[in-house]
Amino acid sequence: SQTIHQWPATLVQPVGSPLSLECTVEGTSNPNLYWYRQAAGRGLQLLFYSVGIGQISSEVPQNLSASRPQDRQFILSSKKLLLSDSGFYLCAWSVLSQRTQYFGPGTRLTVL
Amino acid sequence: RKEVEQDPGPFNVPEGATVAFNCTYSNSASQSFFWYRQDCRKEPKLLMSVYSSGNEDGRFTAQLNRASQYISLLIRDSKLSDSATYLCVVRINDYKLSFGAGTTVTVRA
Repeated sequence: SQTIHQWPATLVQPVGSPLSLECTVEGTSNPNLYWYRQAAGRGLQLLFYSVGIGQISSEVPQNLSASRPQDRQFILSSKKLLLSDSGFYLCAWSVLSQRTQYFGPGTRLTVL
Repeated sequence: RKEVEQDPGPFNVPEGATVAFNCTYSNSASQSFFWYRQDCRKEPKLLMSVYSSGNEDGRFTAQLNRASQYISLLIRDSKLSDSATYLCVVRINDYKLSFGAGTTVTVRA
């Protein structure tokens, strides 16, 4: 069966510090991978998605970036965090034959 | 206009009651529809897909009205464990899902 891992689970970072969040998927090949952010009391916002190694599509221009160095690894980064980057970051995967997406446990980021 | 709109609730119901709520979507070309459940401070989890003819999964019934562009979820015989936020989700294209902000349901003993 497929599993998706994210780490760290929680993170507290000062404004202006860098960020690296990692997501890995097991049990499937060539998945589509996604990064979402959920601000308090709000819906999920799609940040990036990837259909293959090195292929990244950005949905929202901001100070975040994403990379996919391996088939089942997806990384979210920032060089300098802003207060507005606080939120619940969720990685998800899907395969094209399915219509839906499955989420990892998420990383709760607080920028102070 | 938001792509998916939901009544945020909360819907407070006693155990055993029936609760129903809707969402509306703006993109008439949307092809797939889902309900996800999200517990407090947890990731969303797929509850059920929504099919054009309506479908049931145990105590949960989902309906789709394409003409009016709304989706509904009904929960029968509510359990305490049904307390959660229910997210209405619409597929926009091969890669993008659009999520509503969620409807909070609280089932009390």
